[in-house]
Amino acid sequence: SQQGEEDPQALSIQEGENATMNCSYKTSINNLQWYRQNSGRGLVHLILIRSNEREKHSGRLRVTLDTSKKSSSLLITASRAADTASYFCATPPQGGSEKLVFGKGTKLTVNP
Amino acid sequence: SQTIHQWPATLVQPVGSPLSLECTVEGTSNPNLYWYRQAAGRGLQLLFYSVGIGQISSEVPQNLSASRPQDRQFILSSKKLLLSDSGFYLCAWSGLGGEKLFFGSGTQLSVL
Repeated sequence: SQQGEEDPQALSIQEGENATMNCSYKTSINNLQWYRQNSGRGLVHLILIRSNEREKHSGRLRVTLDTSKKSSSLLITASRAADTASYFCATPPQGGSEKLVFGKGTKLTVNP
Repeated sequence: SQTIHQWPATLVQPVGSPLSLECTVEGTSNPNLYWYRQAAGRGLQLLFYSVGIGQISSEVPQNLSASRPQDRQFILSSKKLLLSDSGFYLCAWSGLGGEKLFFGSGTQLSVL
């Protein structure tokens, strides 16, 4: 069953703008992860935020987690054309740490 | 450093033919191994995962099977492919605790 749901499904912005993607999930989690997938390639892990954390930064990435609303957001600041990709959130289902359940992703296009 | 190899990159097979996709991991021991499938423009569906040699958990009843004959080798098979088996297949591994996944480059399977 699907745990995470990203919003919007697609996002098109200009280079230099910020991109914000959201993820909502259904059950309690230990952590939430964001991955990036370039077209036709495998996924690459970007960042993991634990349930006791509210915000985390990595370079131009900022992730927030609101466990009361069961939601997370990924902010990419000062976007570049090379950021064009699909972005997925993933969570381990309750009680199961060996497997991640992914959402359908947000397709981000950054126009030069 | 750890690496994951997945092959072939693309595969075109007729309906009813057998399938064997192979994935190997280097540079780590006793990894958790996963097979995911991604339909065009969709999220990832977990097909199988394995926490050890000979230990396979199936997530979705289907026409596919998986085997783990060696610690770092994971094979996805089918005796007779269906049209609905078409998709992008991704192998992944994680360490103990299974938090962060590392993905292979994927196999694009077209069943005609």
